[in-house]
Amino acid sequence: ETGVTQSPTHLIKTRGQQVTLRCSSQSGHNTVSWYQQALGQGPQFIFQYYREEENGRGNFPPRFSGLQFPNYSSELNVNALELDDSALYLCASSLYQAEAFFGQGTRLTVV
Amino acid sequence: AQSVTQPDIHITVSEGASLELRCNYSYGATPYLFWYVQSPGQGLQLLLKYFSGDTLVQGIKGFEAEFKRSQSSFNLRKPSVHWSDAAEYFCAVGPMDSSYKLIFGSGTRLLVRP
Repeated sequence: ETGVTQSPTHLIKTRGQQVTLRCSSQSGHNTVSWYQQALGQGPQFIFQYYREEENGRGNFPPRFSGLQFPNYSSELNVNALELDDSALYLCASSLYQAEAFFGQGTRLTVV
Repeated sequence: AQSVTQPDIHITVSEGASLELRCNYSYGATPYLFWYVQSPGQGLQLLLKYFSGDTLVQGIKGFEAEFKRSQSSFNLRKPSVHWSDAAEYFCAVGPMDSSYKLIFGSGTRLLVRP
């Protein structure tokens, strides 16, 4: 059984650019959630995908968008990057309404 | 408003000493409660969770937590801390409805003195 994997592990982008982060969910999991963790803070919920549909969203602007694919993997897209978007982005997969398992995260730095 | 408060930003304990990390929550209904641990540069690992039933829950690595409804608290404890326990600890709450959006506290960083 493979765990949750995220790619890339680190990346640096310039303000105004766009970025795509990827997440492969744990085998058998049909739900993926994305969280943003700024330095020194707890993770904040961005959104959740269940069976390829958005199933809830936190207080993030529309330039944060996502996709879930038929194999339940997921992407997080962020447009028009701002300096404050620098953070660790965490993906968590689960069976619907069950325990979430987190990946190692992608560290995004916006300069 | 739903929130989780971890009042201690940092805690330092000596190896072998006992540990208690505090967590208080504000939630409209009975939530699911979690404790996660995060080592530097890593993701989150679930230590334990409370859904219902016995209010004292046992987790991995010798941790336990007690749910106290009257105090809206879910404190994490360990009787004897090991140097490898040094990490950031997050308390989180989640809803008992159709969505699964964890609300995290700001974390407590545990330092262990040799």
